[in-house]
Amino acid sequence: QQQVKQSPQSLIVQKGGISIINCAYENTAFDYFPWYQQFPGKGPALLIAIRPDVSEKKEGRFTISFNKSAKQFSLHIMDSQPGDSATYFCAASKWDSTLTFGKGTMLLVSP
Amino acid sequence: GAGVSQSPSNKVTEKGKDVELRCDPISGHTALYWYRQSLGQGLEFLIYFQGNSAPDKSGLPSDRFSAERTGGSVSTLTIQRTQQEDSAVYLCASSPGGQGVTIYFGEGSWLTVV
Repeated sequence: QQQVKQSPQSLIVQKGGISIINCAYENTAFDYFPWYQQFPGKGPALLIAIRPDVSEKKEGRFTISFNKSAKQFSLHIMDSQPGDSATYFCAASKWDSTLTFGKGTMLLVSP
Repeated sequence: GAGVSQSPSNKVTEKGKDVELRCDPISGHTALYWYRQSLGQGLEFLIYFQGNSAPDKSGLPSDRFSAERTGGSVSTLTIQRTQQEDSAVYLCASSPGGQGVTIYFGEGSWLTVV
């Protein structure tokens, strides 16, 4: 049973455009939702995270939108840059347990 | 060290051989995780160590997989009688423990079974 579904699998965006990656979860007990960014040959690194008591969190060009009733959350990358090209993973967990990751989205930002 | 250190970074082994992958977590981190990353399959949880508690082994795919953590620090993931489907990147991560904290990943050990 896949507890966190991520889409799309891959995404190509022009420089300056908005990249949007979506995730849906099934377990209503999940209450911590981070996004990780992974460059080739590197381990994933935390990008931004949200808890369900807020509907949106913004850090620079990166924004998480959270819809608790729909059990969905998304990552928006504004003014996408070629340096943002990476694989992005959403994840979810109960506050005190291990993370369950989505299958990842390969983002390519064309110059 | 400054980050999570994993060795070897690359390992090619013959089917049926045993392999050991090592993880040296960030100093002071009480929690240690192993994940497996296969092409198109995302990050698959394998095992979790927290302090002196019994490890959460619920993600280990078969009894050929085992892991230990000595002295609350270094961890070794062992795969016995390797199969081609074991080929993947094995990622170790650590965290300070506690609730909702950031976990920090190493760069992984790329295992190829031929």
